[in-house]
Amino acid sequence: GAVVSQHPSRVICKSGTSVKIECRSLDFQATTMFWYRQFPKQSLMLMATSNEGSKATYEQGVEKDKFLINHASLTLSTLTVTSAHPEDSSFYICSARGGSTNEQFFGPGTRLTVL
Amino acid sequence: AQSVTQLDSQVPVFEEAPVELRCNYSSSVSVYLFWYVQYPNQGLQLLLKYLSGSTLVKGINGFEAEFNKSQTSFHLRKPSVHISDTAEYFCAVSDRGSGTYKYIFGTGTRLKVLA
Repeated sequence: GAVVSQHPSRVICKSGTSVKIECRSLDFQATTMFWYRQFPKQSLMLMATSNEGSKATYEQGVEKDKFLINHASLTLSTLTVTSAHPEDSSFYICSARGGSTNEQFFGPGTRLTVL
Repeated sequence: AQSVTQLDSQVPVFEEAPVELRCNYSSSVSVYLFWYVQYPNQGLQLLLKYLSGSTLVKGINGFEAEFNKSQTSFHLRKPSVHISDTAEYFCAVSDRGSGTYKYIFGTGTRLKVLA
């Protein structure tokens, strides 16, 4: 089946630094990738949608300058949290879809802790 | 606008008892529906999906769900639960033909199976 990987699985960083999270589709071409954020004991909130080769579309309330998304190829999207602060600590999950299907395939998530 | 309601935030149930996790959605268009399970500190695992066809959908681990268009519901059921079913369960909806392929997630239901 369709597999999506994320790297790293966990990251701890100091406040003010930037962190990059990678999302890869391993066995299919991902036309669209999605980035979600999940706070403890809460649901997934969509942050942005990215299509290969074009700018990401951010959801209302998500700072595009803080959460930089790049979808440079059909198998890779990256999320960079710039100037991270403790309130950015969260579980970040990506998903990917390809072709005409509506179905998204989810990565295992990245736990970000900002000290 | 689309929304997904999971009325039960927590459902305790004894081992080998049946369980139903409720999901209602609001949408003015036809939808795709999904149920996911999330274990602690892990990503989402697809349990089952309704794309078209039979309204009774069977998934993995003995779970099934029934799409009821008139009641805009997609309740998840299992006839006999195991301790290992203890997890968070999310219902998600996606509009057909919207072109955005976005998912809207419910707030989740924590299933706790008691020995």
